[in-house]
Amino acid sequence: DAGVIQSPRHEVTEMGQEVTLRCKPISGHNSLFWYRQTMMRGLELLIYFNNNVPIDDSGMPEDRFSAKMPNASFSTLKIQPSEPRDSAVYFCASSLSGPGNGYTFGSGTRLTVV
Amino acid sequence: GESVGLHLPTLSVQEGDNSIINCAYSNSASDYFIWYKQESGKGPQFIIDIRSNMDKRQGQRVTVLLNKTVKHLSLQIAATQPGDSAVYFCAEKRLTGGYNKLIFGAGTRLAVHP
Repeated sequence: DAGVIQSPRHEVTEMGQEVTLRCKPISGHNSLFWYRQTMMRGLELLIYFNNNVPIDDSGMPEDRFSAKMPNASFSTLKIQPSEPRDSAVYFCASSLSGPGNGYTFGSGTRLTVV
Repeated sequence: GESVGLHLPTLSVQEGDNSIINCAYSNSASDYFIWYKQESGKGPQFIIDIRSNMDKRQGQRVTVLLNKTVKHLSLQIAATQPGDSAVYFCAEKRLTGGYNKLIFGAGTRLAVHP
């Protein structure tokens, strides 16, 4: 099992550019989560999908952020246009739905917007 | 608002000593808690979990204690090793809109000194 795979590991982009982060969940997991981690705010849940359907996007900061899950093995988080305050580590996690199941996290994408 | 938080941001211990990391939560309806370990440059890694119908659960060198009366959770690490140095997060699984969301605390950094 390769675990949750995220790409790229690092991304440096200029303010105003579009950024796309990618995630491949663990095969068989039907829930997928995008988190953002900063020193100031810790780990924040941005959005989660269940069976490829967005369930709760209340954590998405603003309309510049969007996420898609076209199939069970792939999800993207897009920021357009990016701003310096978007700089953070973005994690994707997956799990089997249900209260007793923990999440498996990817290694994250460190985004720097200059 | 409701949140999951930690008492101590940094904990320094000597190698071989026992470590105790504390966490307070405010949502009395939460029924599942997880401890995660995050090493530098990596995503959070599942350590141990506990349901609200339990007071204690033991793993390999780790024990989680849950005190529902005072809404307090702790992680005990026996014979702390240098490899235990990391940031530890408690997380609370909250049922929201029919689905479970994992809400993280702020994190405690554990530094193990030889």
